[in-house]
Formats: sequence, C-alpha cells, structure tokens
Amino acid sequence: DGGITQSPKYLFRKEGQNVTLSCEQNLNHDAMYWYRQDPGQGLRLIYYSQIVNDFQKGDIAEGYSVSREKKESFPLTVTSAQKNPTAFYLCASSRSGWEQYFGPGTRLTVT
Amino acid sequence: GIQVEQSPPDLILQEGANSTLRCNFSDSVNNLQWFHQNPWGQLINLFYIPSGTKQNGRLSATTVATERYSLLYISSSQTTDSGVYFCAVEDKIIFGKGTRLHILP
Repeated sequence: DGGITQSPKYLFRKEGQNVTLSCEQNLNHDAMYWYRQDPGQGLRLIYYSQIVNDFQKGDIAEGYSVSREKKESFPLTVTSAQKNPTAFYLCASSRSGWEQYFGPGTRLTVT
Repeated sequence: GIQVEQSPPDLILQEGANSTLRCNFSDSVNNLQWFHQNPWGQLINLFYIPSGTKQNGRLSATTVATERYSLLYISSSQTTDSGVYFCAVEDKIIFGKGTRLHILP
C-alpha cells in the first residue's frame, strides 16, 4: 500500500539528548515536510524539502536538523538546543504544488 | 505572511445536525486544503480546493478565492465527525488554528 510511515509512534527521551524521528514515503512524491503541533494548536512548519539533497527552514527551524539523501526519506533530528521539544511531530509529502498527505505522527516527550 | 483564521473555534452539535465551518485568509492563495484531525492525531485529507465547489458524501466545500474565504459544510453529523478541522493554504502550508467539533449522540 502507498503511504507515509513515521516511527516510532511514541518516543521518550531525557533532556540533553538528541533524538531522530523517521519519516518514509512510497508515494513517489518530490516534496516532504515536517510540522510540529502543540496541544490545542495548529501545525507549524519546521523544515521542508522539494528535492533530494536540498531543504529549507520553515517558521520554527531552530533546534532541529534534517537530511534528504533519498527521495523516500526525510528524517528529523531534535537536538538538545531545542528548548521545548515535547510535542506531536507530523511528516507530510506531496507532489510539488499539490495537496499534502500526512503520516500518523510521533509523540515526543522529553523529561 | 498569509494569515489564516478559522471560525468558530469550538462547535457542539447534536447528532444529525448540519454545520458550516469558515476559513478566511489574508491574501490570494494557490492551494487550499481542508483536513480532519481525528482523536488519535491523524490528519485526514478532506478536500483540495483552491477555488470552486466540491462534494464528497455528507461533506462539501466551497472556496471563493476572490473574496478570500472557504467554507466546509457537514450535513447530518455523526459522532465520528468529532475532532478538529483545519484549513491550510499554500505550498508550505500555513494552518489555521482549527475548529474543534463535538458531536453529541
């Protein structure tokens, strides 16, 4: 089946540790995106990539890093520099300029 | 940047009722999508509708691009319609804060 997968569904980390969230898609989409959602809020864009080996910062990129070595994969690293990392993280993909499709999300808790 | 405002922020309805959710945006847009976020957090695509009208079962949407708004209509609400409805615009997707819909049995 075609779709977007994110793993793990729940993730717990100690403060000061970096953590990498996985996002894979088999929809042959060129563009991929990472969003953060805080309780009761909309989604905010962290990073996006419209082509392999290229990515741009979104509105809240500080404390995060990404890579896009393969079309299918767009992992997000939450670094220790991110002041409030506990959140729900959603990955999406699209054919450039067209509608986006979302993965099931990863709930990250940092204590 | 473009501002997206959704109304109402919260809506409580009895099962079987109809509802209209509104999305206003501050500038012209090329893309507009409506999503439903279920209680488990999954975002489900409802409509890709930068202009015009579309219908899918009990749901329909209309975007009037020249007047910078979009409407989502839900008819004969069911409890499974509960959740948060988001409007989002443009390629980098700017989200509104959503409308939280509660359907009571």
